[in-house]
Amino acid sequence: QIQLVQSGPELKKPGETVKISCKASGYTFTDYSMHWVKQAPGKGLKWMGWINTETGEPTYADDFKGRFAFSLETSASTAYLQINNLKNEDTATYFCASGNAYWGQGTLVTVSA
Amino acid sequence: DIQMTQTTSSLSASLGDRVTISCSASQGITNYLNWYQQKPDGTIKLLIYYTSSLHSGVPSRFSGSGSGTDYSLTISNLEPEDIATYYCQQYSKLPYTFGGGTKLEIK
Repeated sequence: QIQLVQSGPELKKPGETVKISCKASGYTFTDYSMHWVKQAPGKGLKWMGWINTETGEPTYADDFKGRFAFSLETSASTAYLQINNLKNEDTATYFCASGNAYWGQGTLVTVSA
Repeated sequence: DIQMTQTTSSLSASLGDRVTISCSASQGITNYLNWYQQKPDGTIKLLIYYTSSLHSGVPSRFSGSGSGTDYSLTISNLEPEDIATYYCQQYSKLPYTFGGGTKLEIK
């Protein structure tokens, strides 16, 4: 069965960097794009962008241009989200979603001094 | 950006009820509309894609309809496991935007 398993929760300080992983199984990794979604505490879902798993080309929503980076390790069927220069407002649960159809369990990132 | 509006933020219904959740787009999205379910533990699942197509493994009591700018998700015969928050998402134009969510509770 198709599964996306994300890395565990992270506690970081402002200005630090975090890299979240999303490992896919149960299908051919390059068959579907990988999307990333942010959910701030108690809030709704916000689409961050997606990465073409065949070409590695990322597309970012405007609010996620600059400090955010999507990447792939295709040989390991794994997608990554890196957030640089963390800010308090980056505190959220981040989800990966394969073709928007299958979702990871979410990774909580807490940014606090 | 296309704005997606779910005017009902919370809804209370009884087991066995038929429930309809609405979603409106700020411009036409030509049926490129998904519905998701987020359970209280945070797990998210795709229910409906392209307005009315049922995703694999989703019970047939879920159905979707709509066109143009107005869309809806219907749950017939509400069951306890349907307690969740439901989100619509348009994928007609980038960025793919979500509605604010409708939280469904049992009366």
